[in-house]
Amino acid sequence: RKEVEQDPGPFNVPEGATVAFNCTYSNSASQSFFWYRQDCRKEPKLLMSVYSSGNEDGRFTAQLNRASQYISLLIRDSKLSDSATYLCVVNIESDYKLSFGAGTTVTVRA
Amino acid sequence: EPEVTQTPSHQVTQMGQEVILRCVPISNHLYFYWYRQILGQKVEFLVSFYNNEISEKSEIFDDQFSVERPDGSNFTLKIRSTKLEDSAMYFCASSEGLAGGYEQYFGPGTRLTVT
Repeated sequence: RKEVEQDPGPFNVPEGATVAFNCTYSNSASQSFFWYRQDCRKEPKLLMSVYSSGNEDGRFTAQLNRASQYISLLIRDSKLSDSATYLCVVNIESDYKLSFGAGTTVTVRA
Repeated sequence: EPEVTQTPSHQVTQMGQEVILRCVPISNHLYFYWYRQILGQKVEFLVSFYNNEISEKSEIFDDQFSVERPDGSNFTLKIRSTKLEDSAMYFCASSEGLAGGYEQYFGPGTRLTVT
């Protein structure tokens, strides 16, 4: 079973739409959760950390469900600039590495 | 804003040759990492480095790989005898503290092409 699994998409949405997608993780010892954004052939960049209580950063909302071991990301009022691959990333406490999902591709069209 | 830098941006080498990929982490960071991403695949952890030694490595990081911090600023990844399957984007990252509590900042990557 993969450590981190994501729906690859692509999610094609019009500007202004809301798009949401999930990620599941296999290791119940995972303690830290993140969404990274990766543009084509560029480095991953941290979009937001995901906290147990859920958190919001502008148009982006992240949720964590520890019981079911999944994380979600919701993007409201999509912009063309939101077109990217969104990487679900987990970490086990005291572990040095980040474990990445394969990414969910979002394309926002005008 | 401080950033991680990597050189070269693109390296082409022949199978069997040695390559050295270079990285300059953010200056006050203590933890350094190498990841790779084969085209169309996920980002994979290779190795982490702290206090001048390897702190963790993946099964990918076999004897052909080595890392070094030769001076106070550079962090290098050496691949001794490159194989075709080593072709990938190699990302260096650094963080102030351990992965969970501190953001890992990624460099722009070195695209390695082995022919």
